[in-house]
Amino acid sequence: AQTIHQWPVAEIKAVGSPLSLGCTIKGKSSPNLYWYWQATGGTLQQLFYSITVGQVESVVQLNLSASRPKDDQFILSTEKLLLSHSGFYLCAWSGDSGNTLYFGEGSRLIVV
Amino acid sequence: AQSVTQPDARVTVSEGASLQLRCKYSYSATPYLFWYVQYPRQGLQLLLKYYSGDPVVQGVNSFEAEFSKSNSSFHLQKASVHWSDSAVYFCALSMTNSAGNKLTFGIGTRVLVRP
Repeated sequence: AQTIHQWPVAEIKAVGSPLSLGCTIKGKSSPNLYWYWQATGGTLQQLFYSITVGQVESVVQLNLSASRPKDDQFILSTEKLLLSHSGFYLCAWSGDSGNTLYFGEGSRLIVV
Repeated sequence: AQSVTQPDARVTVSEGASLQLRCKYSYSATPYLFWYVQYPRQGLQLLLKYYSGDPVVQGVNSFEAEFSKSNSSFHLQKASVHWSDSAVYFCALSMTNSAGNKLTFGIGTRVLVRP
């Protein structure tokens, strides 16, 4: 069975500080990977997706970047956090079953 | 452009009562449709999905949804809710040929089940 793990579970960071959120998929080779952002109490917005190692497509510009250094790993980062980056970040994967996305448990970020 | 509308931001029901959550979509073709549930401080869990075929789809935990092309709807139902069904429910749409499998989400419906 496939598992998806996100880290850290939660962070409190200062404005202007760097950020790195990670996501690892086990049990699935060559998954499509995604980052979504959810404002507190809000809906979800796709930020990035990756079909293969080393390739990342940006969907929304939020002064964030993403990388896929390994087949099973997806990293979300920024060098300078803004207050508007606060929220819930969800990693997801999809595979052979078409358009179904499976989400991780999320990383909660509070920027102060 | 595609969109998903969930007209009810909050729904309160009594335990044991039936539940219907509404979802309307806008898309020129037949999309892939999903319902996800989000429990407090957790990620999203897939309840059910519709790709094609039988318009009534069964999901986990006795949820079902009915696709209606004529009404552009994909309403979620449960015959008898339990207190543990309290959560936020998201309807989502994926275009059949979307690059990157982009899911468009509704704003979510927060369900509170009273004992």
